[in-house]
Amino acid sequence: SQQGEEDPQALSIQEGENATMNCSYKTSINNLQWYRQNSGRGLVHLILIRSNEREKHSGRLRVTLDTSKKSSSLLITASRAADTASYFCATDQGNSGGSNYKLTFGKGTLLTVNP
Amino acid sequence: DAGVIQSPRHEVTEMGQEVTLRCKPISGHNSLFWYRQTMMRGLELLIYFNNNVPIDDSGMPEDRFSAKMPNASFSTLKIQPSEPRDSAVYFCASSLLAGSWETQYFGPGTRLLVL
Repeated sequence: SQQGEEDPQALSIQEGENATMNCSYKTSINNLQWYRQNSGRGLVHLILIRSNEREKHSGRLRVTLDTSKKSSSLLITASRAADTASYFCATDQGNSGGSNYKLTFGKGTLLTVNP
Repeated sequence: DAGVIQSPRHEVTEMGQEVTLRCKPISGHNSLFWYRQTMMRGLELLIYFNNNVPIDDSGMPEDRFSAKMPNASFSTLKIQPSEPRDSAVYFCASSLLAGSWETQYFGPGTRLLVL
C-alpha cells in the first residue's frame, strides 16, 4: 500500500537545536497530519495541514506543505529533551470518495534530543 | 475525559489460543479504528467503524481476525487462532466524525506476544 515516508529515519540533536523531519507521499492528498509517539505509548495528534495551505504554526512547531513536490516538513524549534519521540506523517493519499476517513501513516522519524 | 481505554495492556499467549483485545472510545466519538503496529510494516489500519457499523475491514489480515462494536462505547478485536506473526502492538483510536481532517485519538495500545 502507498505510504507517506519520513526522512530521516532517525535524528539525534542537542537540546536547543532545531529538528526538521520530512515526509513524502506519492499521490494527491486533501489533508496531511503529523503525530507524535512516545516510547510505549499511543500516537498523539500534533497538527493538520490541508492541501490548500502552505504553512502552519503551533507553538514551537512549524509545518510546511509543498503539493507540487508531494512533500511536507515538520520543524521543531528550540528542541527539548521531552521532544524525544517518533514523529509520523499521515495522509489521505489514495482515498476514493467513499473512503475519505482513512489515514495512511509513514514509518516515522525517531528523534532523540540529548540534554 | 479518560481518553481511549484499551485492555489488556500486555498479553502473552501461546500459538493457537484465542486473543481478545478491548477498546472503549472517547464518549461521543462516532468513528473507531483498529490499527496494528510492527517494526516491519509500521502502522496499518485493520478495520474502521462508523456509528458502530463496520465500514471497511479490508485491512484485516485474514479470517482469523474479527472485530465487533456492539455499542458506541465498546469494541473488541479477536484473533482465533493466534499465530506468532500476530505479535505486534494493537491500537484503538477514535475520532469525533469520519474524515481525514479529523484528529484521531489513540489508546495506549495492547502489546501482544504470541509464542
